[in-house]
Amino acid sequence: TQLLEQSPQFLSIQEGENLTVYCNSSSVFSSLQWYRQEPGEGPVLLVTVVTGGEVKKLKRLTFQFGDARKDSSLHITAAQPGDTGLYLCAGAGGSNYKLTFGKGTLLTVNP
Amino acid sequence: EAGVAQSPRYKIIEKRQSVAFWCNPISGHATLYWYQQILGQGPKLLIQFQNNGVVDDSQLPKDRFSAERLKGVDSTLKIQPAKLEDSAVYLCASSFFAHSGYEQYFGPGTRLTVT
Repeated sequence: TQLLEQSPQFLSIQEGENLTVYCNSSSVFSSLQWYRQEPGEGPVLLVTVVTGGEVKKLKRLTFQFGDARKDSSLHITAAQPGDTGLYLCAGAGGSNYKLTFGKGTLLTVNP
Repeated sequence: EAGVAQSPRYKIIEKRQSVAFWCNPISGHATLYWYQQILGQGPKLLIQFQNNGVVDDSQLPKDRFSAERLKGVDSTLKIQPAKLEDSAVYLCASSFFAHSGYEQYFGPGTRLTVT
């Protein structure tokens, strides 16, 4: 069974601070996705990383895929209250592109 | 473009009762997924359909859970009988195809409480 460990589980910061969340596994994934989920809603895809060592930027969010395609990180610069939510990483594998999700990092950005 | 629709949004039942959830995917999406998300955890895949065929149901508790997608469009997920540990959010997602590069779009979920 492929497992994804996310850390930290909870993070509460002030507006304007920077933060990094991590997603680690002992398994290799064909690709890794990051989602954000708000209360009462389903997860929304932020980014997909495919190549080992890949770095993608989405405005103030920077995503990195580890060289061995087993781990990933999400860095947010100058966090804003609108960034508040549950951040989930999900690894894809198998012929049916099955997603395995981590438990998530619950981020709260205080004004 | 309309998103993934799910109903009901909330359901409260007693243990040993039955419950059904409905999902209408995005038009044209061949792949449909049902996930279970227990509080404090990430979604766990229960079943994946490709058109009206089952691709993966390895984590579906088949003694009490069933799902169907008869016409390859909308789908229902049923629990009979429900247990306390079934309390969770049940998410439906769809994608154009089950392949890298095709995004899964999630519905808002049905929050089930079993008392």
